[in-house]
Amino acid sequence: SQQGEEDPQALSIQEGENATMNCSYKTSINNLQWYRQNSGRGLVHLILIRSNEREKHSGRLRVTLDTSKKSSSLLITASRAADTASYFCATDAGYGQNFVFGPGTRLSVLP
Amino acid sequence: EPEVTQTPSHQVTQMGQEVILRCVPISNHLYFYWYRQILGQKVEFLVSFYNNEISEKSEIFDDQFSVERPDGSNFTLKIRSTKLEDSAMYFCASSPQGWGYTFGSGTRLTVV
Repeated sequence: SQQGEEDPQALSIQEGENATMNCSYKTSINNLQWYRQNSGRGLVHLILIRSNEREKHSGRLRVTLDTSKKSSSLLITASRAADTASYFCATDAGYGQNFVFGPGTRLSVLP
Repeated sequence: EPEVTQTPSHQVTQMGQEVILRCVPISNHLYFYWYRQILGQKVEFLVSFYNNEISEKSEIFDDQFSVERPDGSNFTLKIRSTKLEDSAMYFCASSPQGWGYTFGSGTRLTVV
């Protein structure tokens, strides 16, 4: 399966600290995306990184992709209590393939 | 390991027809969701369901869509009059506490 798997499963940090979440996958991919889900709410798309990209930034978010290691990381800098949510990576193997979500990392940012 | 089951895996329907997509969430989960992914695009949230009612829905989830939990195990998505643009992969998901999703493997809907 090409399923993305996030690590750690749960992470607690203090407000202002950086949070790093990792995602590993098993097969070659075309794109990798990160999503956020607040408790009981729908998924929110955060960032997409293509297989030929190594790093992308969006505000306080930084995503890296290492295709040789089949892994990606999501860094949230200067975290806020509002960043408390579950974060998912999703991968797809190319055109005609749909995204497969990992189980997610539960991030708790304590005030 | 418990899993979310979706049936059918692929459905082809004619434009204007009604379709029902079926999902069996994990038995002790309380929150249920439908998402869709149009080929090559990102996954889009449709609706969330908790305590026998819709708790959130997106703009996509218009009057053509409805969800139901007809018994203690099934969670269905109905599209009343399908359009070509409804062709997509539809994912069901459930979670025990509003987070910690388990996704089903999806139903590919093709409207012709």
